[in-house]
Amino acid sequence: EAQVTQNPRYLITVTGKKLTVTCSQNMNHEYMSWYRQDPGLGLRQIYYSMNVEVTDKGDVPEGYKVSRKEKRNFPLILESPSPNQTSLYFCASRGQNYGYTFGSGTRLTVV
Amino acid sequence: AQSVAQPEDQVNVAEGNPLTVKCTYSVSGNPYLFWYVQYPNRGLQFLLKYITGDNLVKGSYGFEAEFNKSQTSFHLKKPSALVSDSALYFCAVRDRDDYKLSFGAGTTVTVRA
Repeated sequence: EAQVTQNPRYLITVTGKKLTVTCSQNMNHEYMSWYRQDPGLGLRQIYYSMNVEVTDKGDVPEGYKVSRKEKRNFPLILESPSPNQTSLYFCASRGQNYGYTFGSGTRLTVV
Repeated sequence: AQSVAQPEDQVNVAEGNPLTVKCTYSVSGNPYLFWYVQYPNRGLQFLLKYITGDNLVKGSYGFEAEFNKSQTSFHLKKPSALVSDSALYFCAVRDRDDYKLSFGAGTTVTVRA
């Protein structure tokens, strides 16, 4: 089944403790992206990647890092999480049919 | 820059009545337009898209949307709403010459029995 897999689904952590949210797609898509969803703000793009070793900032990149060492994986790294990064995070990949496939989401709480 | 506006935070309708969720967009070039739905504690599900061609697009679960270039709108419609349509709906736009997908703030639809 074609899908984008994110892990973990839920995460509670403390301020300053580094964490990584993994994202993997099995569709051989070149383009991948991370979004955060906050009430009343919709989804905002954090980072995106056009292909392996090619990443760029989205609208809200502060406090986040990404890497794209291989085509299928696109992890999101929070090196020093803060409470304002409490949010629902989605990974997505884009295929040839113009559409985006989204992961199931990661609900992160930073206390 | 590109943007999407969903002017209604909430839409409430009775089951069996028509449902409309409004969306207007702004892009510098030609748009690709999308609607997604999110059920509680679930991810985003694709409903339909406009790429080119017929302005009336039909999608999943009986939903359709009409692309109106002069009004820069892409309103989502369903002729007869179901209680199970209650969810959060997002409109999204992408410039044809760009990869970035921009979302509206979302509209919560509640269909009462």
